[in-house]
Amino acid sequence: DAGVTQSPTHLIKTRGQQVTLRCSPKSGHDTVSWYQQALGQGPQFIFQYYEEEERQRGNFPDRFSGHQFPNYSSELNVNALLLGDSALYLCASNGRASYNEQFFGPGTRLTVL
Amino acid sequence: RKEVEQDPGPFNVPEGATVAFNCTYSNSASQSFFWYRQDCRKEPKLLMSVYSSGNEDGRFTAQLNRASQYISLLIRDSKLSDSATYLCVVSRAQKLVFGQGTRLTINP
Repeated sequence: DAGVTQSPTHLIKTRGQQVTLRCSPKSGHDTVSWYQQALGQGPQFIFQYYEEEERQRGNFPDRFSGHQFPNYSSELNVNALLLGDSALYLCASNGRASYNEQFFGPGTRLTVL
Repeated sequence: RKEVEQDPGPFNVPEGATVAFNCTYSNSASQSFFWYRQDCRKEPKLLMSVYSSGNEDGRFTAQLNRASQYISLLIRDSKLSDSATYLCVVSRAQKLVFGQGTRLTINP
């Protein structure tokens, strides 16, 4: 049973560029959440997708957007990258049977130069 | 003030010692409570849920005090493999709010 997968594992971009990160949830899960983890900090909630719609959103600017596809996979897009966007981006999934237990993927480490 | 606060440490303790972590949360609407463990450059993994009645899983004991909005984790007979960052987490409507994490190193 595959867990949560994310791609790519590492990414280097320059300021002003745009990036797309991808996530496939654990089998049987229909809800995907994205988190940003800066070095030395705990993960911060970006947004959550359910039934292809953004269900709730954290305190992140509109440069951060996302999408969920019919197969429950998800993308996180960040436009106009800033140096401060350098972080580990984590995707987590959960299903109706695991309402509060979220399973995390290995993350994508984004470096903005 | 952060919604979930915990001592960032680092904690350096000898193998076999007992170590305790504390955490406070500010939003009384928080519904569920957890401790996650995160190894260096890896994703967080659920260590245990936390209940008001207290719960134990082997060497790990977690406790929740809703009145004080306080969560604790006790690790007994610590092992080298317990070295990690421990994240205090609260949940509201499936949104997880993490503390900064407490870094623990167990020394041989």
